[in-house]
Amino acid sequence: QKEVEQDPGPLSVPEGAIVSLNCTYSNSAFQYFMWYRQYSRKGPELLMYTYSSGNKEDGRFTAQVDKSSKYISLFIRDSQPSDSATYLCAMRVNSGNTPLVFGKGTRLSVIA
Amino acid sequence: GAVVSQHPSWVICKSGTSVKIECRSLDFQATTMFWYRQFPKQSLMLMATSNEGSKATYEQGVEKDKFLINHASLTLSTLTVTSAHPEDSSFYICSASFGQGAYEQYFGPGTRLTVT
Repeated sequence: QKEVEQDPGPLSVPEGAIVSLNCTYSNSAFQYFMWYRQYSRKGPELLMYTYSSGNKEDGRFTAQVDKSSKYISLFIRDSQPSDSATYLCAMRVNSGNTPLVFGKGTRLSVIA
Repeated sequence: GAVVSQHPSWVICKSGTSVKIECRSLDFQATTMFWYRQFPKQSLMLMATSNEGSKATYEQGVEKDKFLINHASLTLSTLTVTSAHPEDSSFYICSASFGQGAYEQYFGPGTRLTVT
């Protein structure tokens, strides 16, 4: 079993839809959870960061972490064509200099 | 925000030659830099972690003699692909971290390497 599992998609939704992206993980020691957005042939861009369990909201984006289920989610409200990208979940055990463990990424297309 | 640059953004080289990729933190001092490789439609695979002034720590399966990493200053790390072969063609991405207590990694825009 891989440490972080993420459905690669592709996921196609109409403009304005609510998008739900998810990852599961096996290492209960993970404490820091992140979502990155990556456009084609570009480096990943940090979207959301959550420490331990709970929800975090930033504009149209909401990140949820359920450590008891080892499950994290990213919700995108009122999706826009500009949201079309690959979304990668990432997590780490400690802060600072420890590497991130990435999911495979989910390719999202928002159709106008 | 923190900015990380990479140079070149795209490079084509002949098989057997060496290629150097630079990663710079433009507006902060990066005590740690990470190098990743990403194949098409795949996730980022960590190659190595480098701390300024010390030897890089390579992930299992990554040849340290083939992928030379130097982190000579707090703002610059380089990855040299030696004796490149077509199977080394990939997207190489670096990221930088402030250090202990910092949760974020800031990613560069990536370098596309094509070996012919």
